[in-house]
Amino acid sequence: NAGVTQTPKFRVLKTGQSMTLLCAQDMNHEYMYWYRQDPGMGLRLIHYSVGEGTTAKGEVPDGYNVSRLKKQNFLLGLESAAPSQTSVYFCASRTGNTNEKLFFGSGTQLSVL
Amino acid sequence: EDQVTQSPEALRLQEGESSSLNCSYTVSGLRGLFWYRQDPGKGPEFLFTLYSAGEEKEKERLKATLTKKESFLHITAPKPEDSATYLCAVQGYNFNKFYFGSGTKLNVKP
Repeated sequence: NAGVTQTPKFRVLKTGQSMTLLCAQDMNHEYMYWYRQDPGMGLRLIHYSVGEGTTAKGEVPDGYNVSRLKKQNFLLGLESAAPSQTSVYFCASRTGNTNEKLFFGSGTQLSVL
Repeated sequence: EDQVTQSPEALRLQEGESSSLNCSYTVSGLRGLFWYRQDPGKGPEFLFTLYSAGEEKEKERLKATLTKKESFLHITAPKPEDSATYLCAVQGYNFNKFYFGSGTKLNVKP
């Protein structure tokens, strides 16, 4: 099993450019999440999805959009990248059971110049 | 507001020197407290889930405990391969979300 796969692993953008990060999971999980991780701030929730076709805002949603057209995929979009969006982005997934743990991808290092 | 604070931010130990990491939390209706290990350049990897005060779980040199306000991750006789960042997260009344602390970076010297 591949688990949770994120692409790309690294990306450099110029301010104002757009891009999409892809997360794919092969565990048939209902819930999927996008987090960003910055030094000293821990993991902060950007958006999440509780099932195919649904999305919801997390703690820091501004400047990001998401889509979950297929159960196994969760896309994170940046329409107009800003230097403040330089970060490491992690996707995670879990089953629909209440106390189930998160499974994480290996992350995407994004730099916005 | 649900909140998680981890201390210390960084910890340096000699191989074999036991210690504890702290995770203090404020959450409405705790459903679960989770410990993860994160190696450089990788995503967090699950270690333990604790559900209620008084619960303890062990795995090799690691032991996690839970009270109503905090959790401890005890590391007994650590080895260099235990070096990593350890993250704590809570899941509260809104079980859709998890709130993470900023982590403790552990460095074990041989």
